[in-house]
Amino acid sequence: NAGVMQNPRHLVRRRGQEARLRCSPMKGHSHVYWYRQLPEEGLKFMVYLQKENIIDESGMPKERFSAEFPKEGPSILRIQQVVRGDSAAYFCASSPEVGGFYNEQFFGPGTRLTVL
Amino acid sequence: SQKIEQNSEALNIQEGKTATLTCNYTNYSPAYLQWYRQDPGRGPVFLLLIRENEKEKRKERLKVTFDTTLKQSLFHITASQPADSATYLCALAPSNTGKLIFGQGTTLQVKP
Repeated sequence: NAGVMQNPRHLVRRRGQEARLRCSPMKGHSHVYWYRQLPEEGLKFMVYLQKENIIDESGMPKERFSAEFPKEGPSILRIQQVVRGDSAAYFCASSPEVGGFYNEQFFGPGTRLTVL
Repeated sequence: SQKIEQNSEALNIQEGKTATLTCNYTNYSPAYLQWYRQDPGRGPVFLLLIRENEKEKRKERLKVTFDTTLKQSLFHITASQPADSATYLCALAPSNTGKLIFGQGTTLQVKP
């Protein structure tokens, strides 16, 4: 059973470009979470999605950031008009169920975004 | 304000000793608390989960305690090994929504 997959692993963008980060959850998992880790800081929650629905986006910046988890295909975190402050590691996690026994989250390897 | 705090200073211990890491929180009533391990350049890996009605949980050389009165969790690694060197993150779930709030992590260095 493959783990959570993220691609690309490294992404370099110039200021003003768009960044698209992809996440394929573990097989059988329908819950996806995105977190951001800035250098020397902890993981910060961004958004929680189920298939085709955004459940909690309280950690998402109000502008330029969006996320989706379509019925088919990976979850996408999209950052428009990137700025240097967006440089960070972005982690995706998935879980099979919320509120039940399996509450742990399985993390992907992350996408390291560098904005020049 | 709501906070979750871990010792920001690195913890250095000798191989074979017990490592104890602390996680304190304020203004949360978490349904459960989790501990993760993170190695440089990699994603966190789940270690243990403890629910609000549990005082202690064990898994092999790992032990977690959860004191909802003190608002504190302690994470112990007994008979520590150099391979245990990593950053350890505590995370709490403010409610049963799946969202996790992470502490900033404590780096453990186990010296042979």
